[in-house]
Amino acid sequence: AQKVTQAQTEISVVEKEDVTLDCVYETRDTTYYLFWYKQPPSGELVFLIRRNSFDEQNEISGRYSWNFQKSTSSFNFTITASQVVDSAVYFCALRDSNYQLIWGAGTKLIIKP
Amino acid sequence: SAVISQKPSRDICQRGTSLTIQCQVDSQVTMMFWYRQQPGQSLTLIATANQGSEATYESGFVIDKFPISRPNLTFSTLTVSNMSPEDSSIYLCSVENRVGSGGNTEAFFGQGTRLTVV
Repeated sequence: AQKVTQAQTEISVVEKEDVTLDCVYETRDTTYYLFWYKQPPSGELVFLIRRNSFDEQNEISGRYSWNFQKSTSSFNFTITASQVVDSAVYFCALRDSNYQLIWGAGTKLIIKP
Repeated sequence: SAVISQKPSRDICQRGTSLTIQCQVDSQVTMMFWYRQQPGQSLTLIATANQGSEATYESGFVIDKFPISRPNLTFSTLTVSNMSPEDSSIYLCSVENRVGSGGNTEAFFGQGTRLTVV
C-alpha cells in the first residue's frame, strides 16, 4: 500500500530554534518521488522540494534542509533558526507510478516570537 | 512551470444548490486533478480529469455528486452538486507539468476555492 505518515500533528517552538518535521512513507514502487509543500494560513500550497527515489543526497536550501533515508523510508525536513513566517501547515507527499500524490496528514508548525 | 487560475476563490452557498469551480492553466498539461481539503485535514484526491473522456473518480466520490469537465488541455471544471454543509471544504485544482530540461515533472496547484455551505 502507498502511504505517507506525518506523526507530528502540531509542533510549537520559539523563534530561532531549529525544528524537524518527520515524514515516513510506504510504497511498493521502485521509482517514486517525494515532496514537501507548505500551506500558510492564506491556503495556497507552496512547493518546497521534490526528491526522486534514486537520489539520496541530502539537500540544503537556505534555512531548509531535507534528509532522505531509503533504509528507514523517511524524508525529514529541518528548518534552522526558525522564523515566525515559517508558521504554516507542512505536507509531505509521495507520487506513485500513476502520477497521483498521496498526502500525509500534515504537521502544523507554530513559531512563537 | 504552470500558472493556474482557479475561480471563484471563495463562495457561500445555500444547501441544495450547485457550484461550478473553474481551473484555467496557462499551458497545455496532460495530467489534471481535483482535490478536496476538509477543515484541518490533508488533501484528498477526488478525481483525475481526462481530456475528451470521463473523469476517473477515487473511491468515495461519484460523478453525480462531482461532475467534471475537461474540454481541452488547459481548462477543467468541477461542480459540487446538491450541496450540504458537509461539502464545506477547500477545493483545489492541480496539474502535473514538466520542469527543467530533464524528465522531471512537478505538481502545481491553484489558489483553491474555499466553499462554505449554509
